[in-house]
Amino acid sequence: QVQLVESGGGVVQPGGSLRLSCAASGFTFSSYGMHWVRQAPGKGLEWVAFIRYDGSNKYYADSVKGRFTISRDNSKNTLYLQMNSLRAEDTAVYYCAKDLYSGYDWPFDIWGQGTMVTVSS
Amino acid sequence: DIQMTQSPSSLSASVGDRVTITCRASQGISNYLAWYQQKPGKVPKLLIYAASTLQSGVPSRFSGSGSGTDFTLTISSLQPEDVATYYCQKYNSALFTFGPGTKVDIK
Repeated sequence: QVQLVESGGGVVQPGGSLRLSCAASGFTFSSYGMHWVRQAPGKGLEWVAFIRYDGSNKYYADSVKGRFTISRDNSKNTLYLQMNSLRAEDTAVYYCAKDLYSGYDWPFDIWGQGTMVTVSS
Repeated sequence: DIQMTQSPSSLSASVGDRVTITCRASQGISNYLAWYQQKPGKVPKLLIYAASTLQSGVPSRFSGSGSGTDFTLTISSLQPEDVATYYCQKYNSALFTFGPGTKVDIK
């Protein structure tokens, strides 16, 4: 079945770095745009980053621009989020999510279970 | 950037009640509007996209309407399993802003 599995979360000090991974299965990964979305404890959803199906274009929320980098390896069916210069306010569950359809401008139909990132000294 | 607002922030209704949640965009977004349901401790689930298209497998008591800046999510007959937080989201122009959420529980 269609599945997304995140990994790489953990506890990191302010200013540190972390790389999240999202392993995809059950669909043609290379045909779909992919996203990272985060949710701070007890808070709402915040879209973080988007990468087009072929990696040709990447988009970021203002809150992470210049610090986070989204990438993908279509040969490995894996999505990544490199997070640098981490701050306490980056503490959240990070979800990867898949576009509903191939192409442009679609919402997210499949979500992973999430991986927790805690930024604390 | 376009901002998304929702009202109310929370509501309590009886089983069988009709429930309406409103979402407003600070600028027109045509019909690039989705609704998600997130039950406590669970992953968000896509309910509606293109403002009014029901995602496969979603019960027909859920419906959406609107275009431009004003949108609504309606639950025609609230069920106990509908206890959740509901989020709207704009998804056009490669910027995917969520609303702040509306928490729905049973009175």
